[in-house]
Amino acid sequence: DGGITQSPKYLFRKEGQNVTLSCEQNLNHDAMYWYRQDPGQGLRLIYYSQIVNDFQKGDIAEGYSVSREKKESFPLTVTSAQKNPTAFYLCASRKDSRTGHSPLHFGNGTRLTVT
Amino acid sequence: QKEVEQDPGPLSVPEGAIVSLNCTYSNSAFQYFMWYRQYSRKGPELLMYTYSSGNKEDGRFTAQVDKSSKYISLFIRDSQPSDSATYLCAMSGGYNKLIFGAGTRLAVHP
Repeated sequence: DGGITQSPKYLFRKEGQNVTLSCEQNLNHDAMYWYRQDPGQGLRLIYYSQIVNDFQKGDIAEGYSVSREKKESFPLTVTSAQKNPTAFYLCASRKDSRTGHSPLHFGNGTRLTVT
Repeated sequence: QKEVEQDPGPLSVPEGAIVSLNCTYSNSAFQYFMWYRQYSRKGPELLMYTYSSGNKEDGRFTAQVDKSSKYISLFIRDSQPSDSATYLCAMSGGYNKLIFGAGTRLAVHP
């Protein structure tokens, strides 16, 4: 079955440590996205990539980094510079990267807790 | 003011009720409108996708878009306990960025 796989489902880290969240898709989609979801705030865009080896900052990119070395993979690193990293992180993809016409498909998220 | 406003609820209804979920928006450039359903600790799944104004029906779900009022709705007929979830509206002007509402929590009790 085609889909988006995020791993791990739950992640616990100590403050000051960098952590990388995995996102893999086998939908052959061009564009991939990372969102952060906090209670009562909806989804906020962290980074997105429309093509391999290219990515752009979203609305809340500070303290995060990404790479897009392969079409199917878009890992997100939460660095120690991110002040409030505890959140639910969602990866998404879309077939057509050029416009907003096609809807997003989401993975099942990674719940990151930093103490 | 947020670009998309959505009442967070929670909304609690008895099984079999008709549910109405709504979003308002401020950007008249939005043309593509989506509703996602999100179960607890899961990612959002696409329920409905509409373009411009009008209605779209899919089984027990009906999406309505009123661009003149900048108002979109999702109706659920004969609601079931399995419909208990958070419902997110999302919209786009045809450029790359989707704007999401904060989500409405719905509880359907037997």
